Amino acid sequence: QKEVEQDPGPLSVPEGAIVSLNCTYSNSAFQYFMWYRQYSRKGPELLMYTYSSGNKEDGRFTAQVDKSSKYISLFIRDSQPSDSATYLCAMSAAWAAGNKLTFGGGTRVLVKP
Amino acid sequence: NAGVTQTPKFRVLKTGQSMTLLCAQDMNHEYMYWYRQDPGMGLRLIHYSVGEGTTAKGEVPDGYNVSRLKKQNFLLGLESAAPSQTSVYFCASSPPGHHSPLHFGNGTRLTVT
Repeated sequence: QKEVEQDPGPLSVPEGAIVSLNCTYSNSAFQYFMWYRQYSRKGPELLMYTYSSGNKEDGRFTAQVDKSSKYISLFIRDSQPSDSATYLCAMSAAWAAGNKLTFGGGTRVLVKP
Repeated sequence: NAGVTQTPKFRVLKTGQSMTLLCAQDMNHEYMYWYRQDPGMGLRLIHYSVGEGTTAKGEVPDGYNVSRLKKQNFLLGLESAAPSQTSVYFCASSPPGHHSPLHFGNGTRLTVT
């Protein structure tokens, strides 16, 4: 079983809809949680960063962490065609040398105009 | 400001051949990483470095070697390529600290026949 599980999708939504993405994990030592966005044939780029539990909002994006359930979520409001990409969750433990991240498999999102 | 540059962008190798992938960053980052990305598997860490002259194994190091002779460069070597090493390889760099984002290059697409 993978340490971080993520539904691969694809997730297809109409423009303007709310996109809901999530990851589950098994390692209770994870404390740092990130979401990366990856466009086709490009490298991933950091979208959101959250430390420990709670919510974080940045424009149309909201990240949630529920450490008790080992579950993290990313919500995209008022989705745009430019949000079409693969979204990767990533996490690390405080003791991880070199800030090593463990990634989920990624969810492909398609926002249709 | 180029960020993280990977060369080459594409390569086709025959089984048993060797090659070196080059990663260069111009952000003066201490940490550098090599990941491979396969469908449904997300990003898996091959090797990483926390400073010039240092390297360490990641999650899937077998069949690869690395060197970090200069702070700005991180080389990934395949001594005897195998079809199982067909993948997209991403290099990343970051400053120290769990809150620091990884900056990725745009990948090298390697096919081993």
